Amino acid sequence: AQSVTQPDIHITVSEGASLELRCNYSYGATPYLFWYVQSPGQGLQLLLKYFSGDTLVQGIKGFEAEFKRSQSSFNLRKPSVHWSDAAEYFCAVAPPKSSGDKLTFGTGTRLAVRP
Amino acid sequence: GAGVSQSPRYKVAKRGQDVALRCDPISGHVSLFWYQQALGQGPEFLTYFQNEAQLDKSGLPSDRFFAERPEGSVSTLKIQRTQQEDSAVYLCASSLATRGGSYEQYFGPGTRLTVT
Repeated sequence: AQSVTQPDIHITVSEGASLELRCNYSYGATPYLFWYVQSPGQGLQLLLKYFSGDTLVQGIKGFEAEFKRSQSSFNLRKPSVHWSDAAEYFCAVAPPKSSGDKLTFGTGTRLAVRP
Repeated sequence: GAGVSQSPRYKVAKRGQDVALRCDPISGHVSLFWYQQALGQGPEFLTYFQNEAQLDKSGLPSDRFFAERPEGSVSTLKIQRTQQEDSAVYLCASSLATRGGSYEQYFGPGTRLTVT
């Protein structure tokens, strides 16, 4: 069965510092990969996605993620964090070549930003 | 434009009561998903519709959970005889499943269910 691991439950960074959130997946083939952000009282918002091709993916709000097949990882990065980035971040996978199939989520990483 | 809406946003039910949670997907979206998010956890898949057809209900935790989408638009998730372990946020998502197109699920704000 496919699974997603986000090893960091909680991360605190200073505003303006760089950020990397880790995500590892377990799946027979390379799945479709996603990062979502969830702010309090809000629904999940898609930051970026990887289907194939260039392994460095650009997303919204200045986020990027790099797919590394050898490490089964899809880590999320941002060069300079803003206070408004404080939220919970979820990595998710879906079976490849699927349309309309279910997402499997990690347990999330809660990001706090120090002024 | 209008996103996915869910109602009610909050629901408190006494153990044993039945509840119905509503999801209004984005107009024209073919696919609709329900997820359950327990406190401190990531969302977990419950069920999936393509138009009015329920194609996957493998995530429904028990036969007390039932979902429908009779006209291929609005969906209702019903939980009968609620138990405390049903307390969670129930998320609905919709997707424009186009042939070979992008695959993005748009999520609603969720319904927080508390069973006392």
